[in-house]
Amino acid sequence: NAGVTQTPKFQVLKTGQSMTLQCAQDMNHEYMSWYRQDPGMGLRLIHYSVGAGITDQGEVPNGYNVSRSTTEDFPLRLLSAAPSQTSVYFCASTSGVGGYTFGSGTRLTVV
Amino acid sequence: GDSVTQMEGPVTLSEEAFLTINCTYTATGYPSLFWYVQYPGEGLQLLLKATKADDKGSNKGFEATYRKETTSFHLEKGSVQVSDSAVYFCALSPGSNYKLTFGKGTLLTVNP
Repeated sequence: NAGVTQTPKFQVLKTGQSMTLQCAQDMNHEYMSWYRQDPGMGLRLIHYSVGAGITDQGEVPNGYNVSRSTTEDFPLRLLSAAPSQTSVYFCASTSGVGGYTFGSGTRLTVV
Repeated sequence: GDSVTQMEGPVTLSEEAFLTINCTYTATGYPSLFWYVQYPGEGLQLLLKATKADDKGSNKGFEATYRKETTSFHLEKGSVQVSDSAVYFCALSPGSNYKLTFGKGTLLTVNP
Protein backbone atom coordinates (compact mmCIF):
# COMPACT_ATOMS: atom_id res chain seq x y z
CA ASN A 1 0.00 0.00 0.00
CA ALA A 2 1.32 3.41 -0.95
CA GLY A 3 -1.02 5.22 1.46
CA VAL A 4 -1.32 8.91 0.59
CA THR A 5 0.91 10.13 -2.24
CA GLN A 6 1.58 13.81 -2.80
CA THR A 7 3.37 15.38 -5.74
CA PRO A 8 5.49 17.38 -6.16
CA LYS A 9 7.59 17.35 -2.98
CA PHE A 10 9.04 20.79 -3.66
CA GLN A 11 7.87 23.66 -5.86
CA VAL A 12 8.89 27.26 -6.45
CA LEU A 13 6.34 29.56 -8.09
CA LYS A 14 6.38 33.15 -9.15
CA THR A 15 3.66 35.44 -7.86
CA GLY A 16 0.58 35.13 -10.05
CA GLN A 17 1.35 31.69 -11.41
CA SER A 18 -1.12 28.84 -10.97
CA MET A 19 -0.45 25.22 -10.17
CA THR A 20 -2.06 22.03 -8.94
CA LEU A 21 -0.84 19.98 -6.00
CA GLN A 22 -1.68 16.35 -6.54
CA CYS A 23 -2.94 13.95 -3.89
CA ALA A 24 -3.89 10.30 -4.32
CA GLN A 25 -4.78 7.58 -1.83
CA ASP A 26 -5.19 3.85 -2.39
CA MET A 27 -7.04 2.95 0.83
CA ASN A 28 -10.56 3.59 -0.49
CA HIS A 29 -11.05 6.31 2.12
CA GLU A 30 -14.12 8.50 1.74
CA TYR A 31 -12.78 11.50 3.66
CA MET A 32 -9.90 13.59 2.35
CA SER A 33 -8.50 16.93 3.45
CA TRP A 34 -5.87 19.52 2.63
CA TYR A 35 -3.95 21.32 5.39
CA ARG A 36 -1.26 23.94 5.36
CA GLN A 37 1.46 24.07 8.01
CA ASP A 38 3.07 27.33 8.95
CA PRO A 39 5.57 28.01 11.76
CA GLY A 40 3.82 28.64 15.07
CA MET A 41 0.38 28.04 13.54
CA GLY A 42 0.02 24.28 13.63
CA LEU A 43 -1.98 22.84 10.75
CA ARG A 44 -4.96 24.65 9.33
CA LEU A 45 -7.67 23.08 7.20
CA ILE A 46 -7.99 24.47 3.67
CA HIS A 47 -10.65 22.25 2.05
CA TYR A 48 -12.09 18.84 2.70
CA SER A 49 -14.22 16.23 0.99
CA VAL A 50 -16.58 13.61 2.41
CA GLY A 51 -16.81 11.67 -0.84
CA ALA A 52 -16.55 11.87 -4.60
CA GLY A 53 -18.32 14.95 -5.89
CA ILE A 54 -18.63 16.57 -2.44
CA THR A 55 -16.26 19.24 -1.17
CA ASP A 56 -16.42 22.00 1.41
CA GLN A 57 -14.33 24.86 2.74
CA GLY A 58 -12.18 24.69 5.80
CA GLU A 59 -10.63 27.42 7.91
CA VAL A 60 -8.42 29.06 5.25
CA PRO A 61 -9.94 28.39 1.78
CA ASN A 62 -9.24 31.69 0.03
CA GLY A 63 -7.01 31.37 -3.02
CA TYR A 64 -7.49 27.61 -3.33
CA ASN A 65 -9.85 25.38 -5.29
CA VAL A 66 -10.51 21.66 -5.00
CA SER A 67 -12.52 19.01 -6.79
CA ARG A 68 -13.14 15.32 -6.10
CA SER A 69 -14.07 13.45 -9.24
CA THR A 70 -12.90 10.07 -7.91
CA THR A 71 -12.52 8.50 -4.47
CA GLU A 72 -8.75 8.25 -4.96
CA ASP A 73 -7.79 11.77 -6.05
CA PHE A 74 -8.14 15.15 -4.38
CA PRO A 75 -6.10 17.85 -6.16
CA LEU A 76 -5.56 21.31 -4.71
CA ARG A 77 -5.36 24.22 -7.15
CA LEU A 78 -3.69 27.52 -6.48
CA LEU A 79 -5.38 30.00 -8.76
CA SER A 80 -2.92 32.92 -8.60
CA ALA A 81 -0.05 32.26 -6.23
CA ALA A 82 0.84 34.85 -3.60
CA PRO A 83 3.82 34.97 -1.19
CA SER A 84 1.36 34.38 1.67
CA GLN A 85 0.77 30.92 0.24
CA THR A 86 4.37 29.91 0.93
CA SER A 87 3.87 26.93 3.21
CA VAL A 88 4.05 23.19 3.57
CA TYR A 89 0.90 21.49 2.30
CA PHE A 90 -0.35 18.15 3.56
CA CYS A 91 -3.04 15.95 2.12
CA ALA A 92 -4.72 13.41 4.40
CA SER A 93 -7.40 10.75 4.21
CA THR A 94 -9.46 8.66 6.62
CA SER A 95 -12.15 6.04 6.64
CA GLY A 96 -13.65 7.91 9.57
CA VAL A 97 -12.78 5.96 12.70
CA GLY A 98 -9.04 5.41 12.79
CA GLY A 99 -7.57 8.86 12.44
CA TYR A 100 -6.13 10.42 9.33
CA THR A 101 -3.24 9.12 7.23
CA PHE A 102 -1.06 11.97 6.00
CA GLY A 103 1.04 12.35 2.89
CA SER A 104 4.67 13.42 3.13
CA GLY A 105 3.90 17.01 2.14
CA THR A 106 4.63 19.55 -0.58
CA ARG A 107 6.93 22.43 0.31
CA LEU A 108 5.82 25.44 -1.74
CA THR A 109 7.69 28.71 -2.05
CA VAL A 110 6.12 31.68 -3.83
CA VAL A 111 8.56 34.41 -4.83
CA GLY B 1 -15.77 26.75 17.65
CA ASP B 2 -13.51 23.84 18.42
CA SER B 3 -10.00 24.58 19.64
CA VAL B 4 -6.94 22.78 21.01
CA THR B 5 -4.34 24.31 23.31
CA GLN B 6 -1.08 22.52 23.97
CA MET B 7 1.94 23.57 25.95
CA GLU B 8 4.38 25.69 24.09
CA GLY B 9 7.83 24.41 23.48
CA PRO B 10 10.45 23.80 22.83
CA VAL B 11 10.88 21.04 25.40
CA THR B 12 14.41 19.73 25.95
CA LEU B 13 15.00 16.59 27.98
CA SER B 14 17.81 14.19 28.71
CA GLU B 15 17.50 10.59 27.61
CA GLU B 16 15.42 8.45 30.03
CA ALA B 17 13.63 11.49 31.48
CA PHE B 18 9.87 11.57 32.01
CA LEU B 19 7.83 13.43 29.42
CA THR B 20 4.54 15.26 29.78
CA ILE B 21 3.04 17.46 27.06
CA ASN B 22 -0.17 19.11 28.17
CA CYS B 23 -3.17 19.37 25.89
CA THR B 24 -6.62 20.82 26.62
CA TYR B 25 -9.51 21.24 24.27
CA THR B 26 -12.77 23.08 23.73
CA ALA B 27 -15.48 21.32 21.78
CA THR B 28 -19.17 20.60 21.84
CA GLY B 29 -20.28 17.04 22.30
CA TYR B 30 -17.84 14.17 22.51
CA PRO B 31 -14.93 14.59 20.12
CA SER B 32 -12.30 12.00 19.34
CA LEU B 33 -8.81 13.01 20.48
CA PHE B 34 -5.48 12.31 18.81
CA TRP B 35 -1.76 12.77 19.19
CA TYR B 36 0.26 13.01 15.99
CA VAL B 37 4.04 13.05 15.69
CA GLN B 38 6.09 14.71 12.96
CA TYR B 39 9.72 13.72 12.54
CA PRO B 40 12.02 16.18 10.77
CA GLY B 41 11.22 16.52 7.07
CA GLU B 42 8.30 14.10 7.21
CA GLY B 43 4.53 14.14 7.31
CA LEU B 44 2.41 13.52 10.38
CA GLN B 45 1.97 10.05 11.81
CA LEU B 46 -0.83 9.03 14.12
CA LEU B 47 0.71 8.23 17.50
CA LEU B 48 -2.37 7.37 19.53
CA LYS B 49 -6.06 8.12 19.84
CA ALA B 50 -9.03 7.95 22.19
CA THR B 51 -12.65 8.11 21.15
CA LYS B 52 -14.56 8.42 24.43
CA ALA B 53 -14.16 9.63 27.99
CA ASP B 54 -11.70 7.69 30.18
CA ASP B 55 -10.24 5.87 27.16
CA LYS B 56 -6.47 5.52 27.29
CA GLY B 57 -4.58 5.57 24.03
CA SER B 58 -1.11 4.05 23.98
CA ASN B 59 1.64 3.35 21.46
CA LYS B 60 5.45 3.04 21.52
CA GLY B 61 5.54 3.74 25.27
CA PHE B 62 3.45 6.91 24.95
CA GLU B 63 0.11 7.21 26.74
CA ALA B 64 -2.73 9.71 26.96
CA THR B 65 -6.06 9.51 28.79
CA TYR B 66 -9.24 11.23 27.61
CA ARG B 67 -10.41 13.30 30.61
CA LYS B 68 -13.76 14.87 29.90
CA GLU B 69 -14.06 16.49 33.32
CA THR B 70 -10.88 18.50 32.73
CA THR B 71 -11.17 18.53 28.90
CA SER B 72 -7.61 17.27 28.69
CA PHE B 73 -5.56 14.69 26.79
CA HIS B 74 -2.02 14.99 28.14
CA LEU B 75 0.73 12.98 26.46
CA GLU B 76 3.16 11.07 28.71
CA LYS B 77 6.12 8.77 28.35
CA GLY B 78 8.08 7.31 31.21
CA SER B 79 11.53 7.26 29.60
CA VAL B 80 12.24 9.20 26.42
CA GLN B 81 14.85 8.29 23.85
CA VAL B 82 16.84 10.42 21.42
CA SER B 83 14.70 8.92 18.64
CA ASP B 84 11.60 10.54 20.20
CA SER B 85 12.85 13.98 19.14
CA ALA B 86 10.06 15.37 16.97
CA VAL B 87 7.13 17.78 16.92
CA TYR B 88 4.01 16.51 18.70
CA PHE B 89 0.52 17.71 17.78
CA CYS B 90 -2.64 17.29 19.79
CA ALA B 91 -5.82 17.25 17.69
CA LEU B 92 -9.54 16.67 17.95
CA SER B 93 -12.27 15.58 15.57
CA PRO B 94 -15.93 16.15 16.35
CA GLY B 95 -16.78 12.92 14.56
CA SER B 96 -19.68 14.23 12.56
CA ASN B 97 -17.52 15.45 9.69
CA TYR B 98 -14.09 14.11 10.60
CA LYS B 99 -12.40 17.50 10.33
CA LEU B 100 -9.31 17.74 12.49
CA THR B 101 -8.51 20.77 14.63
CA PHE B 102 -4.85 20.90 15.68
CA GLY B 103 -2.89 22.51 18.45
CA LYS B 104 0.16 24.49 17.41
CA GLY B 105 2.60 21.70 18.12
CA THR B 106 5.34 21.11 20.68
CA LEU B 107 8.93 20.56 19.63
CA LEU B 108 10.65 17.91 21.75
CA THR B 109 14.41 17.51 21.72
CA VAL B 110 15.97 14.63 23.62
CA ASN B 111 19.69 14.83 24.30
CA PRO B 112 21.91 11.77 24.89
